[in-house]
Amino acid sequence: DAGVTQTPRHEVAEKGQTIILKCEPVSGHNDLFWYRQTKIQGLELLSYFRSKSLMEDGGAFKDRFKAEMLNSSFSTLKIQPTEPKDSAVYLCASSLWDREEQYFGPGTRLTVL
Amino acid sequence: GQQVQQSPASLVLQEGENAELQCNFSSTATRLQWFYQHPGGRLVSLFYNPSGTKHTGRLTSTTVTNERRGSLHISSSQTTDSGTYFCGMPNYNVLYFGSGTKLTVEP
Repeated sequence: DAGVTQTPRHEVAEKGQTIILKCEPVSGHNDLFWYRQTKIQGLELLSYFRSKSLMEDGGAFKDRFKAEMLNSSFSTLKIQPTEPKDSAVYLCASSLWDREEQYFGPGTRLTVL
Repeated sequence: GQQVQQSPASLVLQEGENAELQCNFSSTATRLQWFYQHPGGRLVSLFYNPSGTKHTGRLTSTTVTNERRGSLHISSSQTTDSGTYFCGMPNYNVLYFGSGTKLTVEP
């Protein structure tokens, strides 16, 4: 079974651009999570989906961040417009609905100039 | 909000020494998940366990949920154990993470 996959692995954007990050969860997993990792803030939740329904939206990220589950095996995270403070590693994770054990993808390192 | 405290923040060992990493959390979680991250690498799940003790190779995870604490013991450390270790506390399925313990094992 393939693990969680994320593309691209690296992204460089100019301030004000729109970027879209992609994630494919482990096959058969019902829960999908987006987290952001920075040295200062650590790991923070951006969004949580269960079977394509948005369950939780990180309060601090609502205005320019939008995550979607296009189907049960594909999710996107759109940042619009990007700002330099968005530079971070964006992580996607998935789990089965009845187990809280999460499996993480390799992450997308975003640099906003 | 949910709080997870990890200690120590950093630890330097000589190869062969043992390490004990601590995790304390603010709410009554039913289990903890421990992760390892090499610099620039993905979060790799080491343990996912409820109250009790689990072993994998040189690693031992102990969780005492009614005391809101957990620990990760690494025995006979190796240079390849170097990296950052995170504990995650699930709350309604969302993981809340500590700030991590950065472990450096010197030859």
